[in-house]
Amino acid sequence: RKEVEQDPGPFNVPEGATVAFNCTYSNSASQSFFWYRQDCRKEPKLLMSVYSSGNEDGRFTAQLNRASQYISLLIRDSKLSDSATYLCVVNTGRRALTFGSGTRLQVQP
Amino acid sequence: SAVISQKPSRDICQRGTSLTIQCQVDSQVTMMFWYRQQPGQSLTLIATANQGSEATYESGFVIDKFPISRPNLTFSTLTVSNMSPEDSSIYLCSVDPQGRGSYGYTFGSGTRLTVV
Repeated sequence: RKEVEQDPGPFNVPEGATVAFNCTYSNSASQSFFWYRQDCRKEPKLLMSVYSSGNEDGRFTAQLNRASQYISLLIRDSKLSDSATYLCVVNTGRRALTFGSGTRLQVQP
Repeated sequence: SAVISQKPSRDICQRGTSLTIQCQVDSQVTMMFWYRQQPGQSLTLIATANQGSEATYESGFVIDKFPISRPNLTFSTLTVSNMSPEDSSIYLCSVDPQGRGSYGYTFGSGTRLTVV
C-alpha cells in the first residue's frame, strides 16, 4: 500500500466549478500535511498547509481528518489558471516529505 | 522562505557518464533533500544530506550510484553516476527553511536529465 494515495484524475471541470480532491495516508504517526501545486515542467510549490481545524485561503479550503487519515482540498470558482497537478504531501516525522502521485486538474473555458 | 538555485536546469548525457547537480540555498539549513521525479510520476526521496555527516539514503538508492556532498549549510551536490537511460528523470533538491518539519518546504527548479 502506498504511503499517500490520491486519485490521479484527470478532473476536467468548467470555469467557475467547485472541485474537491481527496487523499489518504497510511502512517498514523504523520505530523504535518500539505497540498502542493505542480505546473507542467515546473517544481512543486506549496499551496497550503493542512490543519485539523481546517484552513481556508481565498478560494481554497483544506481539511484534515486524523481519525480517518484523510485530507481534502476544495477549490471554489475554478479559474483556468488553476489547471495543474495537485500533490498531497505528508511529513511522517522523518523530516523529509512523502508525496502522493498527484491529481491532475484541467479547467476548461 | 528560502531561495534555491539549482544547476544545471537540463542536460542530455551519454550512458556510462556522470552528472553532478548543484543546489545553492540563500540561507543556512540543517538538512537538504534530494528527490527524483520520473516521467509521469510523483516525487521519490533519494537521500537526505546533512552537513558534516554522510547522507542518509532511502531504500533502492545507494551511495555508489548517487554520491552526495554537503560541504556547508548552504550547498549540496548530487552526482548521478554511470548513467543509463533509466536514470532519465527530473532531479530536485529541497530544504526545510524553518527546520521544524511543520512548514512548507522549498524546492529548487529541478534538473531535467535525459540519458541517451
